[in-house]
Amino acid sequence: QQQVKQSPQSLIVQKGGISIINCAYENTAFDYFPWYQQFPGKGPALLIAIRPDVSEKKEGRFTISFNKSAKQFSLHIMDSQPGDSATYFCAASWTGNQFYFGTGTSLTVIP
Amino acid sequence: NAGVMQNPRHLVRRRGQEARLRCSPMKGHSHVYWYRQLPEEGLKFMVYLQKENIIDESGMPKERFSAEFPKEGPSILRIQQVVRGDSAAYFCASSPPSRANTGELFFGEGSRLTVL
Repeated sequence: QQQVKQSPQSLIVQKGGISIINCAYENTAFDYFPWYQQFPGKGPALLIAIRPDVSEKKEGRFTISFNKSAKQFSLHIMDSQPGDSATYFCAASWTGNQFYFGTGTSLTVIP
Repeated sequence: NAGVMQNPRHLVRRRGQEARLRCSPMKGHSHVYWYRQLPEEGLKFMVYLQKENIIDESGMPKERFSAEFPKEGPSILRIQQVVRGDSAAYFCASSPPSRANTGELFFGEGSRLTVL
């Protein structure tokens, strides 16, 4: 049973374009929604995270949009760069419990 | 402040042998998580430990797999009698005692197990 569903599986974007990755969840107990970025051969690293008391969080070119009623959240990468090419994982958790990860999105930004 | 340290980074075992993967969490972190990642797949939760306690092992196969996080020393994920299907990258992550503030997991660079 996949607690967090992520789409698309892969994404190709032109340099300067907007990359959008979507995730959906079922468990309303989740209270923390991070996004992780993973480069080949490396471990995932936290990119940005949001809690359900806000609908949007922006850090530089990265924005999380959160829709509590729809139980969905998404990552937007503005002005995508070749250096953003990586695998992105959404996740969900609630305090004191494990993290549930999506299946990942492989992003390729074409120069 | 050193990050999460995993060793070995690469491990080759023959079928039937044992694999031991070690994880030293970040300084001050008392929570450790183990995840398995197969090619083209996401991170599959295996086990969540605190010092000397297994909190949640719902993702760990009932046979051949075990994990511990002793009072002193690293956390260890042990796979007995490995099979080819165990070939994967195993990631360890740690978090501080109180996740209420940041909720962040800090990952190591993984241990890549190959079973011949």
